[in-house]
Amino acid sequence: KAGVTQTPRYLIKTRGQQVTLSCSPISGHRSVSWYQQTPGQGLQFLFEYFSETQRNKGNFPGRFSGRQFSNSRSEMNVSTLELGDSALYLCASSLGAGRSLETQYFGPGTRLLVL
Amino acid sequence: AQSVTQLDSQVPVFEEAPVELRCNYSSSVSVYLFWYVQYPNQGLQLLLKYLSGSTLVKGINGFEAEFNKSQTSFHLRKPSVHISDTAEYFCAVSVSLLGNAGNMLTFGGGTRLMVKP
Repeated sequence: KAGVTQTPRYLIKTRGQQVTLSCSPISGHRSVSWYQQTPGQGLQFLFEYFSETQRNKGNFPGRFSGRQFSNSRSEMNVSTLELGDSALYLCASSLGAGRSLETQYFGPGTRLLVL
Repeated sequence: AQSVTQLDSQVPVFEEAPVELRCNYSSSVSVYLFWYVQYPNQGLQLLLKYLSGSTLVKGINGFEAEFNKSQTSFHLRKPSVHISDTAEYFCAVSVSLLGNAGNMLTFGGGTRLMVKP
């Protein structure tokens, strides 16, 4: 099976712009979660989608949003970019049965640099 | 709310020496515990997980971890490390809740393992 894929792998934007990142989960996985990784804050949970609905949300401002399509692919959007949004954005997929013991499988990430 | 503390931000060790990476967690409910490894410029790869049962869990690449409920710890160990084990290691917890609680990991700050020849 192919793993979790994320596009693009690298992205450079300027302050005030918006960005959309894409994640394709492992075939058969219905849950997609997004995490932000920065040197200062470490790995932080952004949100989780299951069956096109947001099931969990982390403590991030409304500029961060996401969605999930019927084929389980997910996108996250960050509007009005700030310098502090520079990070590695990781996507993870799991079967999505709704149990916290499920293993999440991570993609390689999208590295976003905001200038 | 739950939290995870990785007590060492960096652990230097010589090749073929044993290593222990420490992880402590805090939670008011039962947790599931995971160790992930991140190699440079890559995503996270699952090393091992504790869900229930035996407190000693064996994972990939010769790693193992022991769940200690009384000390709320889940330390990662390897008896003999290789240069290729140089990476960042993350401990994570997921809480056990009834119902369709979804899937959300809380991570520790990470430990950089540096294996020297």
